Amino acid sequence: GDSVTQMEGPVTLSEEAFLTINCTYTATGYPSLFWYVQYPGEGLQLLLKATKADDKGSNKGFEATYRKETTSFHLEKGSVQVSDSAVYFCALSGGATNKLIFGTGTLLAVQP
Amino acid sequence: GAVVSQHPSRVICKSGTSVKIECRSLDFQATTMFWYRQFPKKSLMLMATSNEGSKATYEQGVEKDKFLINHASLTLSTLTVTSAHPEDSSFYICSARFGGSGETQYFGPGTRLLVL
Repeated sequence: GDSVTQMEGPVTLSEEAFLTINCTYTATGYPSLFWYVQYPGEGLQLLLKATKADDKGSNKGFEATYRKETTSFHLEKGSVQVSDSAVYFCALSGGATNKLIFGTGTLLAVQP
Repeated sequence: GAVVSQHPSRVICKSGTSVKIECRSLDFQATTMFWYRQFPKKSLMLMATSNEGSKATYEQGVEKDKFLINHASLTLSTLTVTSAHPEDSSFYICSARFGGSGETQYFGPGTRLLVL
């Protein structure tokens, strides 16, 4: 069945460092891909999405490109801030099922 | 952007009582709503999917008689935890979607349930 694999955390970076969180997926058909962010004690917020191959989603300095050939959707940011500290979830939808399939989440901790 | 609210944000109840959690889509009509449960430092576990006016579809292992879901309108779904026990303590999150499975789900802020 459909699945999402993302890198284990926690990821600890200094402020202004470059961020990459890897995400790969397995799916039938042509799923949409998402990154959600969860700040401490809160629900999930949509960070960005891409609906077809080669699409690039971007928001708040984060970006991810839908790579069908490598079945990946890695999240990147050029310069992280302390306020980016959160858990990041990669997800897919619209593959074999009606559901949103989540990765396990990656905790990002940014130190000043 | 689409906004989904949940009420209450936090609830403490005694063991054996029932608790109702509301999920509302504030600025769009949600054809489908989802209920998730999140354990500490874990990913979200889908509990059930509900479409307006029809019975919810529960995931394997989720007790439908314990977690009652009602989706009475296109903007409101409720989750009732019946005869709550301490092991039901968790973070419950709803989401709402307009359209098909490739569309975005918008999440509520979550409800923290503590059963004493």
